[in-house]
Amino acid sequence: DGGITQSPKYLFRKEGQNVTLSCEQNLNHDAMYWYRQDPGQGLRLIYYSQIVNDFQKGDIAEGYSVSREKKESFPLTVTSAQKNPTAFYLCASSPHRLAGAADTQYFGPGTRLTVL
Amino acid sequence: GENVEQHPSTLSVQEGDSAVIKCTYSDSASNYFPWYKQELGKGPQLIIDIRSNVGEKKDQRIAVTLNKTAKHFSLHITETQPEDSAVYFCAASMGNQGGKLIFGQGTELSVKP
Repeated sequence: DGGITQSPKYLFRKEGQNVTLSCEQNLNHDAMYWYRQDPGQGLRLIYYSQIVNDFQKGDIAEGYSVSREKKESFPLTVTSAQKNPTAFYLCASSPHRLAGAADTQYFGPGTRLTVL
Repeated sequence: GENVEQHPSTLSVQEGDSAVIKCTYSDSASNYFPWYKQELGKGPQLIIDIRSNVGEKKDQRIAVTLNKTAKHFSLHITETQPEDSAVYFCAASMGNQGGKLIFGQGTELSVKP
């Protein structure tokens, strides 16, 4: 986990509510990512950001929003438009995007979101 | 779209035996292939990775092999121990999209003492 923190560890939400998941890193990494993990499945990319004040949609961005106002912070908001938000959410960061090459991603401990 | 297939989905071995997990990728421009270990309720941890300019990499009991022609890469764990029990994920970079990774579905490894 080292250097990447996610809070809270567990989160409960009522239907129709927006909720924000926190991700902070002190590794001085440029790029940050949000993934969703459902039981028995791999990780699916929600949003990613290669630099401050810029971010791109991943494969399953609908119903989610992000911001990247600071290098060390990349919060994820799960909106009421997300039809099935109950899942394990993972944040990751990587040092920087190398031209023509991918960089190692390091993961936080995750937040388990349950919709009641 | 591009994808990564991972097999088997579950694997049970006796302590001391070897375990092999295989992945196949579709993007011919992929050039980076990490492997992650995830324990229950925790985030994935990088255990080994390989880039496309080498065919094999080893770190103590763990090794990864890459066959770019066949678009296969595999994780080999020798002398397995109960603490190796976890879910293992392979991933491949998306060649034309910088840092993006595509993940396999995961393999649940159980090492029986």
